[in-house]
Amino acid sequence: QKEVEQNSGPLSVPEGAIASLNCTYSDRGSQSFFWYRQYSGKSPELIMFIYSNGDKEDGRFTAQLNKASQYVSLLIRDSQPSDSATYLCAVGFTGGGNKLTFGTGTQLKVEL
Amino acid sequence: DAGVIQSPRHEVTEMGQEVTLRCKPISGHDYLFWYRQTMMRGLELLIYFNNNVPIDDSGMPEDRFSAKMPNASFSTLKIQPSEPRDSAVYFCASSENPHSGGTQYFGPGTRLTVL
Repeated sequence: QKEVEQNSGPLSVPEGAIASLNCTYSDRGSQSFFWYRQYSGKSPELIMFIYSNGDKEDGRFTAQLNKASQYVSLLIRDSQPSDSATYLCAVGFTGGGNKLTFGTGTQLKVEL
Repeated sequence: DAGVIQSPRHEVTEMGQEVTLRCKPISGHDYLFWYRQTMMRGLELLIYFNNNVPIDDSGMPEDRFSAKMPNASFSTLKIQPSEPRDSAVYFCASSENPHSGGTQYFGPGTRLTVL
């Protein structure tokens, strides 16, 4: 069974700090990796995706992918209280078409 | 584009009643997904369609659940009869062909409460 694992948290960081969110996955053949943010009572919204090993930066967000170790992470620089949300890692497995498997999410709290 | 549209946004019904949830995907998206989200189980894929054809329904919990996609702009998820354990938020999402990236865009969800 293809699995995506995340620490449920909550992860608490002070405002202005770097928040580091991690995700591991079970299928070595996985091709695509996504980070979604979900505010309480709202739907998941895409933050960024990554397909290749290494880092991908978008504003304050950096996604890091290491296929050999089967993990993907999300770094949030200069964390703001508005970043407080649940972050969902999603993985597209080989042969799955556009099917994604989601982790259970990590709750992030950015404290003033 | 208006994004993925779902209706109703909230549904309260009594056990045994039929419930129909509706979804309009983003125009031009070939894939449509139905998810269920609960605190205990997180976000679970129920079924997904490609070009209106069901591809994988292995996540459908039991025969009480059924989904249809009669055309490219409309899909329904039906629960008959409903039970209290079906209470959850149901999301619809759509995406383009995998070769275009595969990003899924979610609708606002339907919060279902079965009494």
